[in-house]
Amino acid sequence: EDKVVQSPLSLVVHEGDTVTLNCSYEVTNFRSLLWYKQEKKAPTFLFMLTSSGIEKKSGRLSSILDKKELSSILNITATQTGDSAIYLCAVEGAGAQKLVFGQGTRLTINP
Amino acid sequence: ETGVTQTPRHLVMGMTNKKSLKCEQHLGHNAMYWYKQSAKKPLELMFVYNFKEQTENNSVPSRFSPECPNSSHLFLHLHTLQPEDSALYLCASSQSVYQETQYFGPGTRLLVL
Repeated sequence: EDKVVQSPLSLVVHEGDTVTLNCSYEVTNFRSLLWYKQEKKAPTFLFMLTSSGIEKKSGRLSSILDKKELSSILNITATQTGDSAIYLCAVEGAGAQKLVFGQGTRLTINP
Repeated sequence: ETGVTQTPRHLVMGMTNKKSLKCEQHLGHNAMYWYKQSAKKPLELMFVYNFKEQTENNSVPSRFSPECPNSSHLFLHLHTLQPEDSALYLCASSQSVYQETQYFGPGTRLLVL
C-alpha cells in the first residue's frame, strides 16, 4: 500500500533557527514528490522533485530527494514567523492516478 | 479502474464559448477537488468541496465556476477563457479533505483557441 510519512508531526522553534522536515515514502512507480505549505487556506506549492531534479532551492527554502532512501527533506534557514504553517509532502505514482499525502508537519516559529 | 470519471476527455473551445467539465466519483468520498496541470508544471489546486460545500477557492479567476450538486458530482463551468487556460484539468476525490489519499480522474485536456 502506498504510504507517505512525515516527521516530526509538530515542531516549535525560535525565529532565526534552521529547521529540517522529513518525508519518507513507499509508492509504486514513483514519479514525483511535492512539498506544499498550508496556512489558513489551500496548500501552496513549494517544490517538485523528480528523478531528473533531486535538489531544489528557493530563497531560504531548499529540498533534496534521496531516491535510494525513498525520502526527502525540506530545509528552512533563518526562519521567520511567517514560516509558521503546516508543511505537506505528497508523492505521485506513475499510472496510479493518485496523489498520496503525508500527515503534515505543523511548524511554529516563535518570535 | 480509478473510480473517478471525467468527461469530456478532450475539449477544444473558442474564447467566447461556454462549456462545462464533469466529474463523477463512485468511491463514496466526501471531498472533491479541481486541479489544473499546465505543461511541465506541478498540479495547481483550484477548488475544494467538502460535503458539497466549497471550502477553498485558490484565487481562481471568475471565468472558472465550480458546481457541486452532491458529493458524487462536480462540475467546472467555463466561460470566456483565455489561451493560457489551455491545460489538463484533473478532478480528484478523497474520503476527507487534504491529508487523505486523493484519487484522480483521467483528466480533461482543454485547448482554448
